[in-house]
Formats: sequence, structure tokens, C-alpha cells
Amino acid sequence: AQKITQTQPGMFVQEKEAVTLDCTYDTSDQSYGLFWYKQPSSGEMIFLIYQGSYDEQNATEGRYSLNFQKARKSANLVISASQLGDSAMYFCAMRPNTGFQKLVFGTGTRLLVSP
Amino acid sequence: GAGVSQSPSNKVTEKGKDVELRCDPISGHTALYWYRQSLGQGLEFLIYFQGNSAPDKSGLPSDRFSAERTGGSVSTLTIQRTQQEDSAVYLCASSLVHRQGGYEQYFGPGTRLTVT
Repeated sequence: AQKITQTQPGMFVQEKEAVTLDCTYDTSDQSYGLFWYKQPSSGEMIFLIYQGSYDEQNATEGRYSLNFQKARKSANLVISASQLGDSAMYFCAMRPNTGFQKLVFGTGTRLLVSP
Repeated sequence: GAGVSQSPSNKVTEKGKDVELRCDPISGHTALYWYRQSLGQGLEFLIYFQGNSAPDKSGLPSDRFSAERTGGSVSTLTIQRTQQEDSAVYLCASSLVHRQGGYEQYFGPGTRLTVT
């Protein structure tokens, strides 16, 4: 079974600062993918970034980067230069890279960016 | 291009009634997923379709829940004899499927179901 743990129910950051959202995972699969999604108050789930378990480089997408530490089973999201529009719920998720590819989600972290 | 669409966006129903929720995936996406998000919670997997078949129904919470997909496109999630604990946001997602790994799932805006 797969499990995602997000231990930070809420995080606060000032505009233009960087913030790290924690995610640890547990799986017996050898090949898997890790995802981060953003959910604004409007409710839609927005895909942010993907990291494959065999990728040697940490994934980056604009201001988002994923700090992947495979031995520690962690996949923290780093948002650089926070913007007011980054205020939202952030979900870490994972799925195996073979077979049924359902996502298993963590409970989320609510990020609030202040001016 | 058009994203995943869901209808209705909001549904209020009385306990005991049946409801149908619709999902229209991104054109060309062969994989379709239904998830449920209860208030303040993460997403809970319900069912997955590959084409018109559902190889994984493990997440359906009870036999009151069923889903079908026709023509490899539109999917309908049906909840019979709704209960108050069925109140949640029901999210649909679609993706391409690749043999050696998957692609990211794109989510629709969800249907907020309230059972009174």
C-alpha cells in the first residue's frame, strides 16, 4: 500500500520569500511518480510538478522545484519568490508507474502568502 | 484546448434520492478517474477507467455507487439512495496512459454534492 504524509496543516510566508512544503511517502513499488497539485479556493486541482523515482535530477517548473530525497522517501515542494496568488491548498500525491495509476493523496497543506 | 468538464457544478438532493454526476474528459485521454474530496480532506480514489472498462473499482465505498463510461469518453457516476455522508466534492480527472509510466492527471472543476 502507498501512503503520503503531509505534516504541515498550514504554512505562512511573506511575499517574495521562499517556502518549503513537506511531503514524505511510503511505498513498496520500485518505480513510481510523485506529484504536487495546487487547489485554490475555487476548487480545481492544478498540476504543478512531477518527479519520477528514477529521475536523477530534481524536477523544476518555473518557481516550483521538488527536493527529492529517495533514501529519506521525501518529496518536498519548494516555491521560490512567493506571490499572493500562491495562497491555496497544496497536495502531494504518488502513484506507481505500472498497473493502475490511481493517485494517492496526502491531506494537504494550506499556504497563506501575506503582503 | 478544452479541459475536463463536469456537470452539474452543484447538486443538492434529499436523502434517499439517486443522483448522476457527469464527466467529460479531455479529448484523446483514454484514462479517466473519479475521486471524492470530503470537507477539509485530501482526495479519495473511487474508480478508474481505461477506455470503457473499469479495471479498478476498489475505491467505491458501497454498492450504492456505480460508474460507467461509454464511447471511451463521457463517464457517469451514479449514487443511489444518497446518504448524508455522501456529501462531498466529486472530482473527475483524465490522462493519457503510457505503457512505461503515466502522465499527469488533469482534473475537472468538480461537482459539489450536498445531501440534506
